[in-house]
Amino acid sequence: GAVVSQHPSWVICKSGTSVKIECRSLDFQATTMFWYRQFPKQSLMLMATSNEGSKATYEQGVEKDKFLINHASLTLSTLTVTSAHPEDSSFYICSARPPGGNQPQHFGDGTRLSIL
Amino acid sequence: DAKTTQPTSMDCAEGRAANLPCNHSTISGNEYVYWYRQIHSQGPQYIIHGLKNNETNEMASLIITEDRKSSTLILPHATLRDTAVYYCIVRLGRGNAGNMLTFGGGTRLMVKP
Repeated sequence: GAVVSQHPSWVICKSGTSVKIECRSLDFQATTMFWYRQFPKQSLMLMATSNEGSKATYEQGVEKDKFLINHASLTLSTLTVTSAHPEDSSFYICSARPPGGNQPQHFGDGTRLSIL
Repeated sequence: DAKTTQPTSMDCAEGRAANLPCNHSTISGNEYVYWYRQIHSQGPQYIIHGLKNNETNEMASLIITEDRKSSTLILPHATLRDTAVYYCIVRLGRGNAGNMLTFGGGTRLMVKP
């Protein structure tokens, strides 16, 4: 079945550091991938839509200069949290959908980001 | 996407069927019902989806009412590993507009021994 891989699983770093998270579709090509953020005891909130070969589309309230998204190939999207601060600590999750028909979205296992 | 309403939490005895309801009274004719679950500290896992007809796979069954305004996800023999938050999502099935998923609060299912 369709698999989406996310790396790393855990990141702990100091305030001011930039952190890159990778999202890969392992057995299908994805022209569009999605990045979500989830705070403790809350639901997933869509941050941005990553588009292969073009600029990402950000949801209202999400700073595009803070959360840099690059979708350089049909199987890889990256999210870089620039100059991370403690309030950026969260669970970041990506998803992608295999092409064709009404295929469901498949999600990565998420990245737990902790900024000290 | 049509809004969905789910109970906040439910309990189920291990080995019994878990029936998780979802209301989607504003669903439109070309919107599908999708179910995902999220086990603690993991990404959401796809379970099942349907348009009009009832669906069954190795994980669960999906029962959609004739007017499509509500549905029920059935886990036939719940195990402790089925403890998770279950999300019912309604969205278009095709095209770019159908890619994005909007998550509500979901139902926290607790399977008890």
